[in-house]
Amino acid sequence: ETGVTQSPTHLIKTRGQQVTLRCSSQSGHNTVSWYQQALGQGPQFIFQYYREEENGRGNFPPRFSGLQFPNYSSELNVNALELDDSALYLCASSPPGGQGAEAFFGQGTRLTVV
Amino acid sequence: AQSVTQLGSHVSVSEGALVLLRCNYSSSVPPYLFWYVQYPNQGLQLLLKYTTGATLVKGINGFEAEFKKSETSFHLTKPSAHMSDAAEYFCAVGNSGYSTLTFGKGTMLLVSP
Repeated sequence: ETGVTQSPTHLIKTRGQQVTLRCSSQSGHNTVSWYQQALGQGPQFIFQYYREEENGRGNFPPRFSGLQFPNYSSELNVNALELDDSALYLCASSPPGGQGAEAFFGQGTRLTVV
Repeated sequence: AQSVTQLGSHVSVSEGALVLLRCNYSSSVPPYLFWYVQYPNQGLQLLLKYTTGATLVKGINGFEAEFKKSETSFHLTKPSAHMSDAAEYFCAVGNSGYSTLTFGKGTMLLVSP
């Protein structure tokens, strides 16, 4: 059973550019959540996808958008990058069953905006 | 709205000593509570979780936590620290229906020989 995998592991972008981060969920998991972890902080919820639909969103602007594909993999897109977007972006997948389902995290993508 | 407070951004212990990491939560509905560990440049690994039932929860690597509703706490303990326990620990709260989590700011555990 493969775990949650994210790509790329690191990338550097220039302010104003756009970026796409990718996540493959764990086998059998149909829910994917994205979190932003700034340096020295806990992860903050960006949004969640369930069966290809957005299923909840945190306090992030619309330039943060996402997709979920039929195989439950997911993308996080960020437009018009700002310096404050520099962070570790974590993807987590959860199995069917809902309540209290634990989230399984990937290794994260370290985004640096210069 | 939910929130998590972790007391102490850094906790230092000697190898073999008791580990106590504190977590208090706020939730308007019955909470689901989690502890995650993060090693440098890694993702989050689940240590343990409380959903319903027994309030003393045992996790991996000898860690356990007790849900105390009256104190709105979910402190993490380990009887004897090991050097390999040095990492950052995050307490998180979730609720029924969704698997989204609200995290605390984390506590860095330092273990000295």
